[in-house]
Amino acid sequence: EVQLVESGGGLVQPGGSLRLSCAASGFTFSSFWMSWVRQAPGKGLEWVANIKQDGSEKYYVDSVKGRFTISRDNAKNSLYLQMNSLRAEDTAVYFCARDRRDITMVRGFVYSSYYYMDVWGRGTTVTVSS
Amino acid sequence: EVALTQSPGTVSLSPGERATLSCWASQSVSSSYLAWYQQKPGQAPRLLIYGASNRATGIPDRFSGSASGTDFTLTISRVEPEDFAFYYCQHYGDSPLVTFGQGTKVEIK
Repeated sequence: EVQLVESGGGLVQPGGSLRLSCAASGFTFSSFWMSWVRQAPGKGLEWVANIKQDGSEKYYVDSVKGRFTISRDNAKNSLYLQMNSLRAEDTAVYFCARDRRDITMVRGFVYSSYYYMDVWGRGTTVTVSS
Repeated sequence: EVALTQSPGTVSLSPGERATLSCWASQSVSSSYLAWYQQKPGQAPRLLIYGASNRATGIPDRFSGSASGTDFTLTISRVEPEDFAFYYCQHYGDSPLVTFGQGTKVEIK
């Protein structure tokens, strides 16, 4: 069964740090981009960051740049999010998700491409409060 | 920077009725990178539609998606009791890399 399980959430004071983990199983983890997406209480979904299969490319939403770091360990089938200088507005449920970038090539040209997130974990809760 | 606006914010329907949810992009985007997700309270999002109109594996055919320029639509032909939830559109591939709409709540009338 394809599965993502997040852990590491908790209560932390403003300015503190936390490291989230996401354990992947049931698929070849090293073959996929991976993302973190968060949801503040009563709010919608917000993409946080994603990382390429080999870790060579990483992208972040502006609000976390310089504070959060996404990483992965393909040998351990694990995704991480190191969160530093946490703020009250970082309070949210954090989901990890598998990115799909389905590209079909025909005679060397891109025939079709689809980007989306097809597998999600159940999330881990981060609360930033004094 | 792409922004997605969903409407309505809330729609109240009876089981068996048709639901039409809209998602408008602030600039021209490729429909290949537009997806729809369903989320129930306390649960993870679930992929419904990718590439604007392709149903994900296991999604009932009462769910369909369409695109017209910068306007994207998710239609539930006959709402079932298990369909009452939040629905989000998503664009993947521009700056910021991934954007979600603010969501539409489908509630029981």
